[in-house]
Amino acid sequence: GAGVSQSPSNKVTEKGKDVELRCDPISGHTALYWYRQSLGQGLEFLIYFQGNSAPDKSGLPSDRFSAERTGGSVSTLTIQRTQQEDSAVYLCASSLRGGANTGELFFGEGSRLTVL
Amino acid sequence: EDQVTQSPEALRLQEGESSSLNCSYTVSGLRGLFWYRQDPGKGPEFLFTLYSAGEEKEKERLKATLTKKESFLHITAPKPEDSATYLCAVQDEGSWGKLQFGAGTQVVVTP
Repeated sequence: GAGVSQSPSNKVTEKGKDVELRCDPISGHTALYWYRQSLGQGLEFLIYFQGNSAPDKSGLPSDRFSAERTGGSVSTLTIQRTQQEDSAVYLCASSLRGGANTGELFFGEGSRLTVL
Repeated sequence: EDQVTQSPEALRLQEGESSSLNCSYTVSGLRGLFWYRQDPGKGPEFLFTLYSAGEEKEKERLKATLTKKESFLHITAPKPEDSATYLCAVQDEGSWGKLQFGAGTQVVVTP
């Protein structure tokens, strides 16, 4: 597709369950990012991938959060044993290059996670 | 720690009423400052990147400027379609990929 694609667009889950969120970046973009946006808040950085490796995962809130990227393309963000405070919109972005000169990020429309 | 503060939190304008949004930042060294626009239910959309004090960029009714401590987004003669949340973000010189975002300014332009 032409843009960053995320799925699911909406996910409602029960506290304690595991969830997986998927991101399909723009073809050819080497850098991929996950951010989290809580209601009325700015974006909170979670993790940055360059290719399949993650040079910066300093924003992952706890060890319940993990992410991987395969084939330099699709990425999955996994949240284990979800808690109510995990409720947020999870945004994925990609860019042509990353590292020292991030440049323009292209964002997907996000996955809205609600933990009951 | 890097900090990005945007003001005001919300702004209501009449169509044609020009105004400015502020983004003040604290970083050890600035690699870049970014402005994004976000519509409800959508991901942010890139507007501008500024790299050094004194730099200015323009796009239609929007103009972004940068000093050593803050950036301004000027909206000239806004139209209702300029209604959105405007987000500012910085990349610190020690950062490899991470952007630090402000909380945003929600702008509503009424006809």
